[in-house]
Amino acid sequence: RKEVEQDPGPFNVPEGATVAFNCTYSNSASQSFFWYRQDCRKEPKLLMSVYSSGNEDGRFTAQLNRASQYISLLIRDSKLSDSATYLCVVPYNAGNMLTFGGGTRLMVKP
Amino acid sequence: DAGVIQSPRHEVTEMGQEVTLRCKPISGHDYLFWYRQTMMRGLELLIYFNNNVPIDDSGMPEDRFSAKMPNASFSTLKIQPSEPRDSAVYFCASTPGGYAEAFFGQGTRLTVV
Repeated sequence: RKEVEQDPGPFNVPEGATVAFNCTYSNSASQSFFWYRQDCRKEPKLLMSVYSSGNEDGRFTAQLNRASQYISLLIRDSKLSDSATYLCVVPYNAGNMLTFGGGTRLMVKP
Repeated sequence: DAGVIQSPRHEVTEMGQEVTLRCKPISGHDYLFWYRQTMMRGLELLIYFNNNVPIDDSGMPEDRFSAKMPNASFSTLKIQPSEPRDSAVYFCASTPGGYAEAFFGQGTRLTVV
């Protein structure tokens, strides 16, 4: 089993739609998690940190289910500019080694 | 701070040649990571350093790859000899550690022909 698994997509959604991605992980010791966003031909950048049960930032909500070892990212009222690849990140080794999932590609269409 | 700085941005080389990628982490960050990204395999961790010491190099694909961090402000990833299957984008990232955010450089796009 991979350490961090994501559905690669692509998810094709119309503007204004709500879309959700899941990520499963194998390290039960991880204390917090991250969602990164990567635009085409650019470097990954932090979108949200996920502590305790979850986090919300505007149209973005991240939730954590420790019992089932999965993290989700919900995007409401999606915009064209949300089109990107979303990477789930799980820290290992006391939070010092970041392991990335394969990413989920989102395409928002007019 | 200027962020994580990588050079070169693009590198095209012939098979068999030595390639050296360079990285300057953010000042004060104790951890430095080298990742490789391809369409097929996604973002793979190659090696990471803590206070200039290599901690985990299990992701380094083979002996042709080596990485060094001679001081807190500089690291290199070397491929010798290079092969076409090494073509990828190589990212360097740094973080203070302890569940903190990692910051990435803009990457080096390597093409081996």
